[in-house]
Amino acid sequence: TQLLEQSPQFLSIQEGENLTVYCNSSSVFSSLQWYRQEPGEGPVLLVTVVTGGEVKKLKRLTFQFGDARKDSSLHITAAQPGDTGLYLCAGGNGNQFYFGTGTSLTVIP
Amino acid sequence: EAQVTQNPRYLITVTGKKLTVTCSQNMNHEYMSWYRQDPGLGLRQIYYSMNVEVTDKGDVPEGYKVSRKEKRNFPLILESPSPNQTSLYFCASRLIVSPNTGELFFGEGSRLTVL
Repeated sequence: TQLLEQSPQFLSIQEGENLTVYCNSSSVFSSLQWYRQEPGEGPVLLVTVVTGGEVKKLKRLTFQFGDARKDSSLHITAAQPGDTGLYLCAGGNGNQFYFGTGTSLTVIP
Repeated sequence: EAQVTQNPRYLITVTGKKLTVTCSQNMNHEYMSWYRQDPGLGLRQIYYSMNVEVTDKGDVPEGYKVSRKEKRNFPLILESPSPNQTSLYFCASRLIVSPNTGELFFGEGSRLTVL
C-alpha cells in the first residue's frame, strides 16, 4: 500500500475565497491524478500530471506536481458553489493508482 | 454513451447471505477494478483485472471474490457478507497506457448495508 494523505480533510469557505488542498506521500509516483466526486456519483478525472514540478491550469483550478513526485497541490481561485465536492488525489505506479484520503469542500454562497 | 454500469445501486442484506454486484463497461477497456469508499479512508482497492482471466488482489481483498470471464464484465462477489463490509462500492475501468496515466472511469456506486 502506498499511502497518500490529503489535507485538510474538511474545508468550508465562502464563495469568492481562495483555497489550497494538499496531497502528500513518502512514495514516489510516476503520475498523479486529481478527481472530483459529487454526492451520489463516482469520481471524475480533473487532471493528470506526470513530470516533477509540472503545473497545469484548468480555468480557476491550478494543479502542481512536486519536484520529487511525492506530493501535489490543488489551488482554487475565487471558489464557487459549483466547486463543492470531494476532491481525491491518486498516485500512479506500475499498473496501479493509490487514492488519497480525500478533501471534502463546501463553498457557501 | 461511454459508461460503467453497476447493479444494484442500493442493497440491504443480512450477514451470510451471498450477493453479487455486477459491473459492466462499454469502452473496451482492458483494466477494471473494484474499490470501497469509507469515510476518512478515501478509496481502497479490493481487486483489479488487467484483462480477461487475469485478476489480482488490491489492498483490501479479504471477504471478496471477483471473476473476469468477459472483457466488459467484472462482478464482485461477497460469499458470506459481514457488517464490516457495509460500504459504498465503486467499479472503474480504464485503458492500459504507459506511462500510467489512463483516466479511470467510475460507475455511480453501489451502497451496501449488511445487517
